[in-house]
Amino acid sequence: DAKTTQPNSMESNEEEPVHLPCNHSTISGTDYIHWYRQLPSQGPEYVIHGLTSNVNNRMASLAIAEDRKSSTLILHRATLRDAAVYYCILRGGSNYKLTFGKGTLLTVNP
Amino acid sequence: KAGVTQTPRYLIKTRGQQVTLSCSPISGHRSVSWYQQTPGQGLQFLFEYFSETQRNKGNFPGRFSGRQFSNSRSEMNVSTLELGDSALYLCASSLGVLRDTEAFFGQGTRLTVV
Repeated sequence: DAKTTQPNSMESNEEEPVHLPCNHSTISGTDYIHWYRQLPSQGPEYVIHGLTSNVNNRMASLAIAEDRKSSTLILHRATLRDAAVYYCILRGGSNYKLTFGKGTLLTVNP
Repeated sequence: KAGVTQTPRYLIKTRGQQVTLSCSPISGHRSVSWYQQTPGQGLQFLFEYFSETQRNKGNFPGRFSGRQFSNSRSEMNVSTLELGDSALYLCASSLGVLRDTEAFFGQGTRLTVV
C-alpha cells in the first residue's frame, strides 16, 4: 500500500484557517486521496476525497499538488468541534482498503 | 437516515472466552469493513465483506473471523480471547467497494478482556 506522511500534531486558533499537509510521494495514478477525521470517543468520519483536481464540500477543501505527491486539507474557519485526529489515506491498489496511519492531532485553541 | 449501528457498545470478557460483535450498515450499503483500534497500533484493518463474500482480510490470526448476512448486516467473532484483544472495534459501511467511495463508521464496540 502506498504510504502517507503527516505531521504528528498541529495547533490552530478558533475561526482561523487550518492547512493540514500530507505527503504521498509513492502515489499511483489510480489512487484516490481520502481524508477522515476522528473526534474523541467517536468512530472516524469521512471528510473529503479527490483524485487530481481540487475539491470542495461543506466541511473542507482538498488541494492536490499538480504532481499528486502531496495534498493539503483546508478547514476554512476552525471551530472547537474540529479538534480531532485527521487521517490522510490513499485508496487504491488491488483491494481499495482504507489503511490508516498515525494521522495529525489538531488542537484548536479558543 | 440511520447511521451504522454497532452492538453492544461495551463488553467485558474473560481471557479464553469468545465474543461476537454485530454491525448494522446504513440501509442500501452492501459493503461492511471491520477495524481494530488500540493505542499502540492505531486503526488496523481486519476484513471487508461485500454481498456476503469476504473481499479482503488484514493481518490478524485466524481467531478473528467474520461474516455478512443477506441483509448486509455483519458479525465478527473473536475466539479464545487474549488480553491483547482489548480494543475498540469499528465497523464501516459503504455503498460499494470502489476506490472513490466514502465509508461511514459506527461508534464502535469497546471490548475489554480481563
